[in-house]
Amino acid sequence: DAGVTQSPTHLIKTRGQQVTLRCSPISGHKSVSWYQQVLGQGPQFIFQYYEKEERGRGNFPDRFSARQFPNYSSELNVNALLLGDSALYLCASSLLGRGTTDTQYFGPGTRLTVL
Amino acid sequence: AQSVTQPDIHITVSEGASLELRCNYSYGATPYLFWYVQSPGQGLQLLLKYFSGDTLVQGIKGFEAEFKRSQSSFNLRKPSVHWSDAAEYFCAVGAWAGNNRKLIWGLGTSLAVNP
Repeated sequence: DAGVTQSPTHLIKTRGQQVTLRCSPISGHKSVSWYQQVLGQGPQFIFQYYEKEERGRGNFPDRFSARQFPNYSSELNVNALLLGDSALYLCASSLLGRGTTDTQYFGPGTRLTVL
Repeated sequence: AQSVTQPDIHITVSEGASLELRCNYSYGATPYLFWYVQSPGQGLQLLLKYFSGDTLVQGIKGFEAEFKRSQSSFNLRKPSVHWSDAAEYFCAVGAWAGNNRKLIWGLGTSLAVNP
């Protein structure tokens, strides 16, 4: 079975632009979480979705939004990009979306560079 | 507040030597604990997890970790390190924060392996 897939692999944008990142979970998994990992740090939680509903939100501004589709894939959107948004964006899928008791499996990430 | 501390930012060991990576957590309830490994530019791979039961947990690639509630620790160990183990290691705790269900991460420990 394929693991979590993310696209694109790399992305370069300029300040003020908007970006959309995509994630496909492991087949059968219904929950998707998004994390931001700045170079040299651990991941920071952005969102969790389960069955197309938002189940959790981290401490990120409203410029960050996400959604989950009926096939459980997900998109992360970031508006009005800032230099500080440059990071590796990780998507994780889990089976049941029970949060803390559910193991999350990560994709390879999308490297976003904002110039 | 929930938090994870990895006291060692960087560790260097010789190939064949034993390894212990430290992780301390702060969490009010029974923690769900994870160790992930991240190779350069890659996503996160789950090494092992602790939810309940036996406090000594076996993982992939010959790693194990021991949960010690009295010390709020979940240290990762490997008896004999291979050069391919060079990577970034992250400890995480599954936590509730209001309605948020998320993983809280340490800053990571970078492991270098000398031949």
